[in-house]
Amino acid sequence: QQQVKQSPQSLIVQKGGISIINCAYENTAFDYFPWYQQFPGKGPALLIAIRPDVSEKKEGRFTISFNKSAKQFSLHIMDSQPGDSATYFCAAEDSNYQLIWGAGTKLIIKP
Amino acid sequence: KAGVTQTPRYLIKTRGQQVTLSCSPISGHRSVSWYQQTPGQGLQFLFEYFSETQRNKGNFPGRFSGRQFSNSRSEMNVSTLELGDSALYLCASSLRYNTEAFFGQGTRLTVV
Repeated sequence: QQQVKQSPQSLIVQKGGISIINCAYENTAFDYFPWYQQFPGKGPALLIAIRPDVSEKKEGRFTISFNKSAKQFSLHIMDSQPGDSATYFCAAEDSNYQLIWGAGTKLIIKP
Repeated sequence: KAGVTQTPRYLIKTRGQQVTLSCSPISGHRSVSWYQQTPGQGLQFLFEYFSETQRNKGNFPGRFSGRQFSNSRSEMNVSTLELGDSALYLCASSLRYNTEAFFGQGTRLTVV
């Protein structure tokens, strides 16, 4: 019940296309859902985050869609650029303030 | 504002040895978490400290331990190193729950 399932494991998108990464969870006590971006040789960095009282949050080309009833949330990257090539992690924070992480998605944007 | 600093950046140890890694959080952050990252396993949570107390612990053997000092700096120790402990060890600090966790660049540990 503490798991966050992330898919796909890897994703190749053409430049200018839309990248979509999905996450699903079981624990209804999760109340904070961040997405992190990690470049090779660097630690992950927060990209965007959402709380379950909203269904969508947009920051520039990045959007989180949240479906509370389905217990799913997804990251959409519009107009994907080669600089977006990185590994993306979704996470969920439980009632003990611990972040539960998805397995990661390696995104490659082809020029 | 200085970021999260981890030292050393790279480390090579021999099987059976022990190692201590250090993490200096962002000033004012009281929560420090440690993660192990390997190519096939993603981010595995080790433990989290808040105000010198271990608040959460992941599913790692007792060879992995940590502590936090009064200035919020944290150390993690791995005793009796095994080849499988080779990984990138990441430290993250945060101000409080439901807020951004800031990661250091990690310590790359290689056990030979």
